Amino acid sequence: KAGVTQTPRYLIKTRGQQVTLSCSPISGHRSVSWYQQTPGQGLQFLFEYFSETQRNKGNFPGRFSGRQFSNSRSEMNVSTLELGDSALYLCASSLGTGQGGNSPLHFGNGTRLTVT
Amino acid sequence: DAKTTQPTSMDCAEGRAANLPCNHSTISGNEYVYWYRQIHSQGPQYIIHGLKNNETNEMASLIITEDRKSSTLILPHATLRDTAVYYCIVRPVIGNEKLTFGTGTRLTIIP
Repeated sequence: KAGVTQTPRYLIKTRGQQVTLSCSPISGHRSVSWYQQTPGQGLQFLFEYFSETQRNKGNFPGRFSGRQFSNSRSEMNVSTLELGDSALYLCASSLGTGQGGNSPLHFGNGTRLTVT
Repeated sequence: DAKTTQPTSMDCAEGRAANLPCNHSTISGNEYVYWYRQIHSQGPQYIIHGLKNNETNEMASLIITEDRKSSTLILPHATLRDTAVYYCIVRPVIGNEKLTFGTGTRLTIIP
């Protein structure tokens, strides 16, 4: 089975621009979660999508948004980029239903975003 | 979610068993213990999880104390490729794909 795929792997953007990151979950997984990892704050939960609906949200400003498509693929968008948005953005997928906490999340290798 | 406490760093000789402890003294009866590891520049890799009983898979063993207040991840024959940051996470049984990561243990395997 193919793992979680994130594209692009690296991205360089300028302050004020916007960016869209993509995530393809493991086949059969319906839940997609996004995390931000920085040296100072560690791994932090952004949001989770299930069946095209945002089911859970972390404590990030509205500049961070996402969506999920009918095939469970997900995109994350960050508008009006700030220098502090430089981070590794990780996507994770899981079955998301019926298994509860017994269904592990599986992570992709992330998109490293650098804002200059 | 219950908070976890792990040592900041540990060393282990190659070929020996690596035993990584985790304290989760406030864990509730409906929370799993999960272990992930992260090798530099990669995403976290799922290792193992358990609720009450000890668990073993092809990667590792998880030993949970009877009172569930602590656990130990065991890598039976550590290799250099096991050098990584290891995260112990408590996760509710019902719902919620949100994982709360702490700072983890940086395990270094010494040749």
